[in-house]
Amino acid sequence: DGGITQSPKYLFRKEGQNVTLSCEQNLNHDAMYWYRQDPGQGLRLIYYSQIVNDFQKGDIAEGYSVSREKKESFPLTVTSAQKNPTAFYLCASSIGRGRYMNTEAFFGQGTRLTVV
Amino acid sequence: AQTVTQSQPEMSVQEAETVTLSCTYDTSESNYYLFWYKQPPSRQMILVIRQEAYKQQNATENRFSVNFQKAAKSFSLKISDSQLGDTAMYFCAFMKLNQGGKLIFGQGTELSVKP
Repeated sequence: DGGITQSPKYLFRKEGQNVTLSCEQNLNHDAMYWYRQDPGQGLRLIYYSQIVNDFQKGDIAEGYSVSREKKESFPLTVTSAQKNPTAFYLCASSIGRGRYMNTEAFFGQGTRLTVV
Repeated sequence: AQTVTQSQPEMSVQEAETVTLSCTYDTSESNYYLFWYKQPPSRQMILVIRQEAYKQQNATENRFSVNFQKAAKSFSLKISDSQLGDTAMYFCAFMKLNQGGKLIFGQGTELSVKP
């Protein structure tokens, strides 16, 4: 089945540590996105990538980094510079090209990150 | 900058009844897309319905329909014949033209369907 897989589902991090969240898709989508979800605030865009080896900052990129070495993969690293990393993180993808530029995004099941 | 506002943090409805969730947005764009996403307790985001701003006709998907008022910048979601499985957080989202997947979300409305 095609879809977006995020792992792990739950992640615990000690203060001062970097941690990487995985996102893999087999939908052959060009574009991929990372969102952060906090209670009462909806989802906010962290980073996005429209093509391999290219990515752009979203609205809340500080303290995060990404890479896009393969079309299928878009890992997110939460660095120690992120002051309040405890949140729910959602990865998404969309076709992102040509006449399908405006099709909707599909989401993974998310990773809950907790700083301990 | 675009903003999306959902002014109802929580709502409840009896099973089989109709409920309307409100959403307003602010933009200077003339063409754009609007979406309603559903997030059940599993936290999987599921697309409910989408609306292209250039279309006058309101979108409909089975029991779900929207009331799109472009001049008023309003985009409400009506759920008819509510079912227990409709219990979820509902998010309204805005997308600029040719910005597929770059969404601006409202704060969400938590809907409870009661038996």
